[in-house]
Amino acid sequence: GENVGLHLPTLSVQEGDNSIINCAYSNSASDYFIWYKQESGKGPQFIIDIRSNMDKRQGQRVTVLLNKTVKHLSLQIAATQPGDSAVYFCAENGESGNTPLVFGKGTRLSVIA
Amino acid sequence: NAGVMQNPRHLVRRRGQEARLRCSPMKGHSHVYWYRQLPEEGLKFMVYLQKENIIDESGMPKERFSAEFPKEGPSILRIQQVVRGDSAAYFCASSSTGREQFFGPGTRLTVL
Repeated sequence: GENVGLHLPTLSVQEGDNSIINCAYSNSASDYFIWYKQESGKGPQFIIDIRSNMDKRQGQRVTVLLNKTVKHLSLQIAATQPGDSAVYFCAENGESGNTPLVFGKGTRLSVIA
Repeated sequence: NAGVMQNPRHLVRRRGQEARLRCSPMKGHSHVYWYRQLPEEGLKFMVYLQKENIIDESGMPKERFSAEFPKEGPSILRIQQVVRGDSAAYFCASSSTGREQFFGPGTRLTVL
């Protein structure tokens, strides 16, 4: 069945360094991907999204890269700050839209001051 | 522009009682999704509703669980005769397009 998963369950980075969080997906028909940030005790917070007709999309300090050939998604956070410490989830949306998101298990990012 | 609202934030029930979780979507959003999250895990889809209609309930257990999104008022996720295994965080998300989904703060259900 379809599967969205992450390569690394935990990631520790020094404050100021760049962070890269990876995600693999198996449904080649998926055409929309989202990264969420979830802080302890809170709901997932939308960070950035990308559609399958794009390879890269940039936001404020964040960049999402999509490699459809190997079905891989990554989230890059520039100049990581203590406030970036959280669990990050990638999610994919089905090919037709109006479908539920399929979430990966999450990567916990810890920023070392 | 208020975000997705959920209440209560914390709910404690004894085994066999009923739990009612409420979700008010963002203004202008007609798509509502309910997800469940166990500790240290990702969110799992339960049910997708639009006003007065259940669109997809493939993730919801067939017994004890029900959901509605009436014409007026919030969406309700109801769990009857709760068991300890129902303890989890329940999140609601809303969308105007069915694509970008914005999440509420969740309801943490504890079954004693």
